[in-house]
Amino acid sequence: DAKTTQPNSMESNEEEPVHLPCNHSTISGTDYIHWYRQLPSQGPEYVIHGLTSNVNNRMASLAIAEDRKSSTLILHRATLRDAAVYYCILSGWGNQAGTALIFGKGTTLSVSS
Amino acid sequence: DAGVTQSPTHLIKTRGQHVTLRCSPISGHKSVSWYQQVLGQGPQFIFQYYEKEERGRGNFPDRFSARQFPNYSSELNVNALLLGDSALYLCASSPAGLYQETQYFGPGTRLLVL
Repeated sequence: DAKTTQPNSMESNEEEPVHLPCNHSTISGTDYIHWYRQLPSQGPEYVIHGLTSNVNNRMASLAIAEDRKSSTLILHRATLRDAAVYYCILSGWGNQAGTALIFGKGTTLSVSS
Repeated sequence: DAGVTQSPTHLIKTRGQHVTLRCSPISGHKSVSWYQQVLGQGPQFIFQYYEKEERGRGNFPDRFSARQFPNYSSELNVNALLLGDSALYLCASSPAGLYQETQYFGPGTRLLVL
């Protein structure tokens, strides 16, 4: 299965932008890049996903490198409610677990006021 | 619309017992997946079902089993509970279980095995 590498933790201040990096050098052409986050004591929550082009939604932006070997989740203005574990996940054909999401340890984002 | 619901929210069992966890997907979603999340780790995939058929299975022992019903709800069963089965069990649903689809997670069932 294609794997991702994320920093264990990052810190941010409220109201500032946050850039969460993810490396996925073994990504295949059909793999989608998904980002989920998990707030304390809750189930994971979808943030954004993309294939090749940059994506924007009301929560965040996803910047995908031209060679697709890395991506960055961008939170434009961090709030205290954005403090969570952020997971970068690849899914596509060839995933031995079918269409399941394979979670790593993610990046724990801390936001200070 | 209601999101994914799971029951019970919390459960305490003793070693050797059996447990059944339940999940109701979002209306219209035909695929359900189960994940186990041990404290401090990311969720680990257990099973995926689509249209009542098992579509995928993670690396879990045969003590773990699941099924999906005609209304697309699902049950996860764990036999002969071990202390190591203590975890948060998450259910996720998606429209057709395709890899490009978003999965929507429930709040989980927290199982404690004593």
